[in-house]
Amino acid sequence: DTGVSQDPRHKITKRGQNVTFRCDPISEHNRLYWYRQTLGQGPEFLTYFQNEAQLEKSRLLSDRFSAERPKGSFSTLEIQRTEQGDSAMYLCASSLFNTEAFFGQGTRLTVV
Amino acid sequence: KQEVTQIPAALSVPEGENLVLNCSFTDSAIYNLQWFRQDPGKGLTSLLLIQSSQREQTSGRLNASLDKSSGRSTLYIAASQPGDSATYLCAVPSGTSYDKVIFGPGTSLSVIP
Repeated sequence: DTGVSQDPRHKITKRGQNVTFRCDPISEHNRLYWYRQTLGQGPEFLTYFQNEAQLEKSRLLSDRFSAERPKGSFSTLEIQRTEQGDSAMYLCASSLFNTEAFFGQGTRLTVV
Repeated sequence: KQEVTQIPAALSVPEGENLVLNCSFTDSAIYNLQWFRQDPGKGLTSLLLIQSSQREQTSGRLNASLDKSSGRSTLYIAASQPGDSATYLCAVPSGTSYDKVIFGPGTSLSVIP
């Protein structure tokens, strides 16, 4: 296993379009986290899963955002009707319960 | 509500200098503290994880200390190299949720050859 994998690495989309990102965690990790990072800021928590259950969602996660982890393995984050303010780096991380979190390389979203 | 701050926001040093990055957090009831490195446009690389029962952790030229009672952690980098240039972030679990991690804004380090 080579670590947390995110796809795509970069996405440019027009305002109003829907986008979906994928995260493949480290295989034995049961927890998966999504964060968003804007320029010059630290990452901000969006949501996390333990196995397939979504246990917490930040109020940053508006109703245009939805995350799934249907089989407790990979996860997807979908943004509907994208806005320019959605432009950011979207980071995924995984961990085994509450131990050290390992991050992927992120998906950089640009909404034009 | 857990809040994390980092000082300085940016730091530029000549190669070979030893340096200290600072992290402060408001809720001292933390389970652990983690230091990350982030290169421009990239994801996060974990550097050191300090459990709440530990005072410090070392990895190569890096040493991280933790003082829970004062809500502070420091990351010491010895004999800095140009390859150390990056943003350094500290992170602690949220006071309201063991699982949600709160990040500081980071310190942008530039090591000049």
